[in-house]
Amino acid sequence: AQRVTQPEKLLSVFKGAPVELKCNYSYSGSPELFWYVQYSRQRLQLLLRHISRESIKGFTADLNKGETSFHLKKPFAQEEDSAMYYCALRNSGGSNYKLTFGKGTLLTVNP
Amino acid sequence: NAGVTQTPKFQVLKTGQSMTLQCAQDMNHEYMSWYRQDPGMGLRLIHYSVGAGITDQGEVPNGYNVSRSTTEDFPLRLLSAAPSQTSVYFCASGQREGSEQFFGPGTRLTVL
Repeated sequence: AQRVTQPEKLLSVFKGAPVELKCNYSYSGSPELFWYVQYSRQRLQLLLRHISRESIKGFTADLNKGETSFHLKKPFAQEEDSAMYYCALRNSGGSNYKLTFGKGTLLTVNP
Repeated sequence: NAGVTQTPKFQVLKTGQSMTLQCAQDMNHEYMSWYRQDPGMGLRLIHYSVGAGITDQGEVPNGYNVSRSTTEDFPLRLLSAAPSQTSVYFCASGQREGSEQFFGPGTRLTVL
């Protein structure tokens, strides 16, 4: 069974500090990994996906298959980064298009 | 495009009442799904559909029914509401071959 683990429910950093939100997964096949973000009073939206290998809003995430991790990183956190972040996994093969979400990490960036 | 829309935004029910949460998308997406969001539990998949006329159960389907008569609509029915169904419900849609899911604004449901 596929599983996504986000070990930190809460993460608090100061503005300008580096931030890393951890995500580990377990899946025997070839997964696609995503980070979704939910800002206060807004709908959940895609932040980035591992296959695009892009940086969005200064965030990057590298898929490490050896460590089965997909940690989200930003070198200098901003107050507007405060939000709930969800790591998600999808089976990239077959007919299973379901997303499995982690339990989320609430990031607070303090001034 | 309106994207994914959900109605109502808020709802209060008494135990045993029934209701339908509406979800619609105008992006011609084949895949639609319902999640519930609870504190400390993240998002859990209730039901999903890979196309009109096709539905399947997710992680937490008990107490919920769905149908998919059209590509655009994917309503979620609570036949007999229970306090354990107090949650925020999100509908999402995506392309069958794509990987991004688009979420609706959510419905906050309270069952007394």
